[in-house]
Amino acid sequence: GNSVTQMEGPVTLSEEAFLTINCTYTATGYPSLFWYVQYPGEGLQLLLKATKADDKGSNKGFEATYRKETTSFHLEKGSVQVSDSAVYFCALGRSGNTPLVFGKGTRLSVIA
Amino acid sequence: EADIYQTPRYLVIGTGKKITLECSQTMGHDKMYWYQQDPGMELHLIHYSYGVNSTEKGDLSSESTVSRIRTEHFPLTLESARPSHTSQYLCASSEGSFSGNTIYFGEGSWLTVV
Repeated sequence: GNSVTQMEGPVTLSEEAFLTINCTYTATGYPSLFWYVQYPGEGLQLLLKATKADDKGSNKGFEATYRKETTSFHLEKGSVQVSDSAVYFCALGRSGNTPLVFGKGTRLSVIA
Repeated sequence: EADIYQTPRYLVIGTGKKITLECSQTMGHDKMYWYQQDPGMELHLIHYSYGVNSTEKGDLSSESTVSRIRTEHFPLTLESARPSHTSQYLCASSEGSFSGNTIYFGEGSWLTVV
C-alpha cells in the first residue's frame, strides 16, 4: 500500500539557516502529497500540498515539489525563524476511499 | 481558522473509569477522524467516519469506540480506561475526497490514566 518515509529528527538549526526535510513515498497511481505542521500545544494544520507531478506547493516561505522520478516531496525553506519550530508531517493519499497516510513526523527546533 | 473543538483538553482519571472525549465541528464536513499521537509524535489513525451512521476502524487497533449520530459530532469512548491509554487524541474533519482535500484538526485531548 501507499506509504511515506520522512527523515528522522530532531533537526536543530540556527535562525536564518536553510531547511530541508526529506520525504519519499511509495504509491500506486498519482496520489496528492501534503505537508502538515504541528506547533507546540496545537493540532496539525495544512502547510502546503501538491496534487500532480511537478506541482510546487508553497506557503509561509516553505516550498515542496512533487517529484515523480525520485518519488520525493522534500520540504524546504530558505531562511528559518524561531517561530518555525514545530513538528512537520509529510502525508499522501491512499488508493481507494480511505484516509491519508502520515509520516512519523520531524521535529524542528530553531535557535536564535 | 478551523472550527473543530475537542473537550476536555486535559483529563486525568483513574484506572477502570469510563470516559468520553467529545469532538464537534461546525463546518458541515462529512468525514471525521480520531488519531492517537504518541510521545514520539507519530500519528496513528484509530477511527474514521464517512458520514452519519458510518464508522470504520483505522490502522491502529484501539479499545475505544466511536459513534456518528450527527454530522457535527464524533465522540470517542473508552469503557474502562487503563494506563496504556495515556496519550494525546486528535480529532479531525474534512469534506469530499479523502485524498485530495485539507484535513482540519482540533487542538487535541491529553488523557492521563493513573
